[in-house]
Amino acid sequence: DAKTTQPPSMDCAEGRAANLPCNHSTISGNEYVYWYRQIHSQGPQYIIHGLKNNETNEMASLIITEDRKSSTLILPHATLRDTAVYYCIVRVDISNFGNEKLTFGTGTRLTIIP
Amino acid sequence: GAVVSQHPSWVICKSGTSVKIECRSLDFQATTMFWYRQFPKQSLMLMATSNEGSKATYEQGVEKDKFLINHASLTLSTLTVTSAHPEDSSFYICSARAIRDSGHQPQHFGDGTRLSIL
Repeated sequence: DAKTTQPPSMDCAEGRAANLPCNHSTISGNEYVYWYRQIHSQGPQYIIHGLKNNETNEMASLIITEDRKSSTLILPHATLRDTAVYYCIVRVDISNFGNEKLTFGTGTRLTIIP
Repeated sequence: GAVVSQHPSWVICKSGTSVKIECRSLDFQATTMFWYRQFPKQSLMLMATSNEGSKATYEQGVEKDKFLINHASLTLSTLTVTSAHPEDSSFYICSARAIRDSGHQPQHFGDGTRLSIL
């Protein structure tokens, strides 16, 4: 799986949009970009994933550059409860099988400031 | 949405004790579940992949006789830490992915089990 690079930490003011970057310059054509977050002392929570098109759900938006070498997770209106470590993971998605592994890096520690 | 439940959420026991942790998928079936370990201020590290009805696949450096995994049904996997010692103290997290005919289904994680060995 392609490796990812994320800034170790970021701050964002409450109510503002939080933009978390991820670099995955060695991504392959069949690898998806996944985002998870981990709030302190809890298990990771799935946020969103995509292949090449931008994606949006009730939690966030995912913007993937045209060359797919980087992406940005956007939390449109950050709240204090969004303080967490955010992980960007790239890997092949095998739709009909459940046996793929996720490799977690060190992530970005996002702190929402009141 | 998909829910994965772990039990217990925390456990404290004496050195030499064996501890069993359960991971259940509550509203979906999963042929495969994953067990991770996380030490303080570190990222999650995959320990093993649990396959329903067959032997688990362990990552390099993880002792299969130390960490026993049983995946007896499509909704339950258990991790038993045998003869636990203080260095086994950690945050253990499981995940599962729903069986679907099509589409991209992400893994869903339990809330973890904090194990403290005295």
